[in-house]
Amino acid sequence: DSGVTQTPKHLITATGQRVTLRCSPRSGDLSVYWYQQSLDQGLQFLIQYYNGEERAKGNILERFSAQQFPDLHSELNLSSLELGDSALYFCASSTRTTTGELFFGEGSRLTVL
Amino acid sequence: GIQVEQSPPDLILQEGANSTLRCNFSDSVNNLQWFHQNPWGQLINLFYIPSGTKQNGRLSATTVATERYSLLYISSSQTTDSGVYFCAVERVDTGGFKTIFGAGTRLFVKA
Repeated sequence: DSGVTQTPKHLITATGQRVTLRCSPRSGDLSVYWYQQSLDQGLQFLIQYYNGEERAKGNILERFSAQQFPDLHSELNLSSLELGDSALYFCASSTRTTTGELFFGEGSRLTVL
Repeated sequence: GIQVEQSPPDLILQEGANSTLRCNFSDSVNNLQWFHQNPWGQLINLFYIPSGTKQNGRLSATTVATERYSLLYISSSQTTDSGVYFCAVERVDTGGFKTIFGAGTRLFVKA
């Protein structure tokens, strides 16, 4: 158990809908990272937050947004969903502002029908 | 941006065999990690190894940062070692520090 908690574990929804994925980092970790893993794309970095502030941005679509709350949990919002958004979404946490050692949650598997 | 290449892409082993997985990166990095993604999709930390050698049971890793590569050794492989092994490197990129993953080595260990 990495100590990083993600919910929900599985989610099935329809095109055009909006979903929210939630992540609670390890106790004491201030940084939260979101990654997307599609079948043919590998692990793609989406965005990082450190203590509530956005610190780094990767290939995150404009239809996606994230935030980190004062209690350090984070949410990834995916809107206007398309079939191609079906993927495993991982959250990771670390203690540092730079990446440092990452610890991953078990992921949220999103299926868009 | 930085390129992270892992080899081989696929590997089939008989239980008990040894193997070496390689990760090459195209530029200097701050840190390097190895992960194992098991068949259920979980990403498990194996090593945090920006340089030097570390060992954990049947697994060991060596990173030679000056030559831009890292090796993961698996000895006496077991069926539970099956899955995908990822190398991930951290460096400054547009937008800040990022961890970039290689495409992985898919390992299948036969009983």
